[in-house]
Amino acid sequence: DQQVKQNSPSLSVQEGRISILNCDYTNSMFDYFLWYKKYPAEGPTFLISISSIKDKNEDGRFTVFLNKSAKHLSLHIVPSQPGDSAVYFCAASDTGGGNKLTFGTGTQLKVEL
Amino acid sequence: DAGVTQSPTHLIKTRGQHVTLRCSPISGHKSVSWYQQVLGQGPQFIFQYYEKEERGRGNFPDRFSARQFPNYSSELNVNALLLGDSALYLCASSSGLAGAETQYFGPGTRLLVL
Repeated sequence: DQQVKQNSPSLSVQEGRISILNCDYTNSMFDYFLWYKKYPAEGPTFLISISSIKDKNEDGRFTVFLNKSAKHLSLHIVPSQPGDSAVYFCAASDTGGGNKLTFGTGTQLKVEL
Repeated sequence: DAGVTQSPTHLIKTRGQHVTLRCSPISGHKSVSWYQQVLGQGPQFIFQYYEKEERGRGNFPDRFSARQFPNYSSELNVNALLLGDSALYLCASSSGLAGAETQYFGPGTRLLVL
């Protein structure tokens, strides 16, 4: 049972344009959400997070939006750069049970020149 | 500051063997978690340890075990290896167990079972 879903396995965007990565979840107990970026042969790198008490969090070129009623979150990258090409994982946790993470299957982002 | 470190980086074993993977957390972090990432999937939670005690266990068989040492480093042990245990094993550390504490990942150990 996949509690966190990333339905787009890949996304291709031109340099300078916006990248939008989507994530859906089914467990209503999830109240903290994170995005990680992963390059080949490296571990996931933390990008940005959002608590369920917010609907938006911004950090530089990265913005995460949360729609609790739809159980949907998205990561916006503006402007996209070639160095952003990586696999992006959405993760969620039920903070009442600690900080164990449930991950989606990832979206491969390719930013083309 | 050094990040999370893991050893070895790569490992090849045969079915039925035993393997031990090691992790050193970020200095000052007391919680270590282990995740398994199979090709094409996201990381799956295996264990979490805090102050040397197991604080969470994912849906993995008893062949998987772990422990945390007084210096907060950790070992993941897998007995009676199966072909399906081939994966990237990731260690993550956080300062505590609070729900909003970010977990920081190491580079992983890639295990191949033949």
